[in-house]
Amino acid sequence: DTAVSQTPKYLVTQMGNDKSIKCEQNLGHDTMYWYKQDSKKFLKIMFSYNNKELIINETVPNRFSPKSPDKAHLNLHINSLELGDSAVYFCASSQDKSFGELFFGEGSRLTVL
Amino acid sequence: GIQVEQSPPDLILQEGANSTLRCNFSDSVNNLQWFHQNPWGQLINLFYIPSGTKQNGRLSATTVATERYSLLYISSSQTTDSGVYFCAVEKWGKLQFGAGTQVVVTP
Repeated sequence: DTAVSQTPKYLVTQMGNDKSIKCEQNLGHDTMYWYKQDSKKFLKIMFSYNNKELIINETVPNRFSPKSPDKAHLNLHINSLELGDSAVYFCASSQDKSFGELFFGEGSRLTVL
Repeated sequence: GIQVEQSPPDLILQEGANSTLRCNFSDSVNNLQWFHQNPWGQLINLFYIPSGTKQNGRLSATTVATERYSLLYISSSQTTDSGVYFCAVEKWGKLQFGAGTQVVVTP
C-alpha cells in the first residue's frame, strides 16, 4: 500500500496542451508538496499546502496551479505546456508544515514535445 | 538564501568499500535530512538528523550543527547503494536541497 502515490508516472504531450498530475497520501500527514527535478537532478520546491491551505508558492509561472481538495490530496494542473516544463515532478508529504521527515511519491516524468 | 554544498559530486566505489559523503551549509538550520534517489528515480528518506548521530544498518549519519556540516557514511557498499544522495536543510520554512552526490558501486 503506497504511502504517497502519483498518477500518471509518465506523461508525453505536445506544447500548448493542458495536463494534470494527481497525488494522494495515506499517511495522515497535514502537509503536502510539489517539487520539480530538472535534467541535472536539482530538486526545487514549487508549492506546499498545509491542511488544504497554500503556505509556499515559489516563483512558479501562473500556468501551474495546485489544488488541494482535502489534506490527503494535492493535484497539479499545468496550462499551455512549454518545452521547458519537461521534468520529473515529485509529490511529497510531511506530518506538519515545518518540514518534518519528508516522504516522496515515485515521481511523474513529463515530456513536452 | 541558504547555500547547501555536497561533496564529492561523483563517487565510484568497488563493492565492499566504505565512503563518506559531506554536506556543508551556509547558515544555522532547523533540520537536515538525507535522501537516496535510486537508479529508478525513487526518492527515499534515509535520515532526519538536525544534530547528533544516527545509524540504520550499513548507513550512518552525523550532523554537527554548530559547524554547519553533516556526513553520511556508507559501509560495506553494495550495488544497491548506487544512485544520488541528497542532503536537504530547512530554514525559514523552506527545505533547500543540495546538488547531490552521484554514487556508482561496481561489482
